[in-house]
Amino acid sequence: QVQLQESGPGLVKPSETLALTCSVSGGPIGSSAHYWAWIRQPPGKGLEWIGNIYYTGDTVYNPSLKSRVTISVDRSKNQFSLKLGSVTAADTAVYYCARVQMTIYYFYGVDVWGQGTTVTVSS
Amino acid sequence: QPAVTQESSLSVSPGGTVTLTCGLSAGSVSADHYASWYQQTPGQASHRIIYNTHTRSSGVPARFSGSILGDKAALTITGAQADDEADYHCLLFVGSGVSVFGGGTKLTVL
Repeated sequence: QVQLQESGPGLVKPSETLALTCSVSGGPIGSSAHYWAWIRQPPGKGLEWIGNIYYTGDTVYNPSLKSRVTISVDRSKNQFSLKLGSVTAADTAVYYCARVQMTIYYFYGVDVWGQGTTVTVSS
Repeated sequence: QPAVTQESSLSVSPGGTVTLTCGLSAGSVSADHYASWYQQTPGQASHRIIYNTHTRSSGVPARFSGSILGDKAALTITGAQADDEADYHCLLFVGSGVSVFGGGTKLTVL
C-alpha cells in the first residue's frame, strides 16, 4: 500500500522559505487517478489545503497562499515538494503530504496521509 | 474562495445519534462539491470516513453515514461509541481544482 513520508527542517526563520519533501513508497507517483497535495494544521486549529500537483506538473494552489507557494514533482525520485516563501509565525503548523483521489470527472478527497511534520517559524 | 462552515463543537451520549454539518458561506452544498469527511484523534493524522457525499471508506463502520441535508453536507453517527470522540473535518471541492476544509467539529461522547 502507498505510504507517504514528509521530510525537511523543523525550524524556519521569519522571512525565509519553508521547504518540505514528501517521499512516496508502495506505488508510483505517476498515477492517472491521483493528485498529490500539501495540507497544514496550525496548533489548535483546523486543516488548510495548501495546494496539489499532478504527476505532469500541473498545479492548483489555495488562492490565499498562491503568491508564496510552489509545489513541484520529481517522478524519478517518486517525490513531490513544497516551498512556502516569506514565512511568518502564522505559518507555524503541522504540514501533511497527502494523496488525493481525483480526476477531471470526480473528487474523492484524501485517501492517504503522511504522518505530518511540525514546522515552527521563529528566530 | 468561499468559506466552509462547521459546528465548532457537538456532544452526543453513548448510543445516541448526532449530525455534523458542512456548509458554504455563499450558496448551497450539492453533490457537485463531492463532500468528504475526516476523523482526527489527538496527535494523529486524519483519515477519511466518507467521500463523494455518502460513500463510506473501506473499513468504516456502518454507523457513519453521509448525506445532503437541506443546503449542507451532513455526517450522521447513529449509535455513537466512546471511540468516536474526535475532531471531524469536512472537505469540499469548490471548482477549478480548488478544495477547502471546514474549521472542524470537536465531537464529545459523554
